[in-house]
Amino acid sequence: GENVEQHPSTLSVQEGDSAVIKCTYSDSASNYFPWYKQELGKGPQLIIDIRSNVGEKKDQRIAVTLNKTAKHFSLHITETQPEDSAVYFCAAVVSGNTPLVFGKGTRLSVIA
Amino acid sequence: GAGVSQSPSNKVTEKGKDVELRCDPISGHTALYWYRQSLGQGLEFLIYFQGNSAPDKSGLPSDRFSAERTGGSVSTLTIQRTQQEDSAVYLCASSLAGTPYEQYFGPGTRLTVT
Repeated sequence: GENVEQHPSTLSVQEGDSAVIKCTYSDSASNYFPWYKQELGKGPQLIIDIRSNVGEKKDQRIAVTLNKTAKHFSLHITETQPEDSAVYFCAAVVSGNTPLVFGKGTRLSVIA
Repeated sequence: GAGVSQSPSNKVTEKGKDVELRCDPISGHTALYWYRQSLGQGLEFLIYFQGNSAPDKSGLPSDRFSAERTGGSVSTLTIQRTQQEDSAVYLCASSLAGTPYEQYFGPGTRLTVT
């Protein structure tokens, strides 16, 4: 089955700097890659996603890139703000009615 | 509109007791998922319901865990004879038919087994 690895497990950046979180997956059939943000005491919230027919997607300060050949995808946050501090999870899923397979998460701290 | 809701938000129970956790999905969402999040870990899939199809139970860790979904809406996750290792946050998510990937999560139930 699918296995998703996520790095780093913790990341601290200065406010205004960029943050990059990387994930790799094992199943070449996976074709959907969402990113979730989880704030303390809340459920994960979908912030951006990418499908296998796209190499990059951007939404304001957040961007995701996908390299299907290497089977890895990354989340990029530019101009970080304190409110970006949270745990971020990547996930992968194969086409069809299958559950998401999550990475173990990255705790991002943005220092003002 | 209303999102996914879960109750209770917190549950403390003694080892050996049974517990029931409830999930109300977003109205109109036909797919419903249960995940477990242990401290410092990612989300572990437990069970998945899609419409009237038989549920995918492949993620349930033992036969002490079961779930049902009544009327295609509300779901209840039951853990029998709870153990300390069951302590975790239990998250429910739902999605629309045709978009099984875009899952929306509830706030979770934090279960503590003493």
